[in-house]
Amino acid sequence: AQRVTQPEKLLSVFKGAPVELKCNYSYSGSPELFWYVQYSRQRLQLLLRHISRESIKGFTADLNKGETSFHLKKPFAQEEDSAMYYCALGRLGSGGSNYKLTFGKGTLLTVNP
Amino acid sequence: SAVISQKPSRDICQRGTSLTIQCQVDSQVTMMFWYRQQPGQSLTLIATANQGSEATYESGFVIDKFPISRPNLTFSTLTVSNMSPEDSSIYLCSVEEGGRREAFFGQGTRLTVV
Repeated sequence: AQRVTQPEKLLSVFKGAPVELKCNYSYSGSPELFWYVQYSRQRLQLLLRHISRESIKGFTADLNKGETSFHLKKPFAQEEDSAMYYCALGRLGSGGSNYKLTFGKGTLLTVNP
Repeated sequence: SAVISQKPSRDICQRGTSLTIQCQVDSQVTMMFWYRQQPGQSLTLIATANQGSEATYESGFVIDKFPISRPNLTFSTLTVSNMSPEDSSIYLCSVEEGGRREAFFGQGTRLTVV
């Protein structure tokens, strides 16, 4: 069975400090990993995905298959980064149909001035 | 990107009653998904709704409790039936557009059962 673990419910850093939100996964197949973000009073939205290997709003995430991790990092946190962050694993449903997402419980990041 | 409107945004309901949540998308999509987010928990997939076929439910969710309609490619409803306080959650509608494997979400329906 697939599982996504985000060990930190809350993470608080100061502006300008580095931030790392941890995500570990369990999946027997070839994983597709995502980070979704929900800012205050906004809907959940995609931040980045591992296959794109891109930096979004200064955030990066590297898939480490050996450690089954997909940690989200930013070298210098900004106050506007304060939000709820969800790590998600994508896989096909049974029979190869219907692409599905399994979410972690989320980490609430607070960036203090 | 798909824009999803979900109604109602919140409701307080009496136990034993039912609530139907509507999800309207501004473009035609093949698959629509319904999630539940209980307090302090992650998003849990309830079911996948494809137009023209029965919804596919995840383990732990049954059609009698969460009947779903999908009359066309832009609309779906989720009914929470015979509600109890344990059904108090945020319910989210989601779509995946054009095979890009990016999920778009509605703003959610915050349900409180008293």
